[in-house]
Amino acid sequence: DTGVSQDPRHKITKRGQNVTFRCDPISEHNRLYWYRQTLGQGPEFLTYFQNEAQLEKSRLLSDRFSAERPKGSFSTLEIQRTEQGDSAMYLCASSFSGRDEQFFGPGTRLTVL
Amino acid sequence: GENVEQHPSTLSVQEGDSAVIKCTYSDSASNYFPWYKQELGKRPQLIIDIRSNVGEKKDQRIAVTLNKTAKHFSLHITETQPEDSAVYFCAASMKSNYQLIWGAGTKLIIKP
Repeated sequence: DTGVSQDPRHKITKRGQNVTFRCDPISEHNRLYWYRQTLGQGPEFLTYFQNEAQLEKSRLLSDRFSAERPKGSFSTLEIQRTEQGDSAMYLCASSFSGRDEQFFGPGTRLTVL
Repeated sequence: GENVEQHPSTLSVQEGDSAVIKCTYSDSASNYFPWYKQELGKRPQLIIDIRSNVGEKKDQRIAVTLNKTAKHFSLHITETQPEDSAVYFCAASMKSNYQLIWGAGTKLIIKP
């Protein structure tokens, strides 16, 4: 499968726990994006990497959120001390440098109880 | 910052008729405008996009128009089919940051 993949697809956790999600972009895509989508809304930008460098962070990304892309390939998004308001679909997308088109993964649906 | 508004929130059309979804944006620096289709529980899929140096683009039954002066762009679907039923999102971005700013979505319902 040459598309963007995300793992896990679903995560249920209790409030206060830490969670980590993984995204594997399309190979050769050097840009990687994280978005959050709540029910009935459009995705909201969280952060963006070019290779291993994190170039943009949204104000939505509180101190409890951290994202990494250590080798410029896959990326992880960690949420510490989860809150019920963190419940959402977390989408990852990738694009090729010099091209605008972003291709999305299937998302990780997080439910915080 | 950029703000994208999308209308209508729900659109119901008879199979075979045309559907039009409209979006406006606020930042004149935006230069890339994609449209995504999202079926329930699935990933957003890019269906068509347009850049600010072009006024119109067409791909089979789907077309997008852009009016830079008025800062609005529209999605046109002709000869609608049941499989066109989904939520459609418009978005805008600029070269300086590549982040997509999304509209709230339009739920398109195709009535048989």
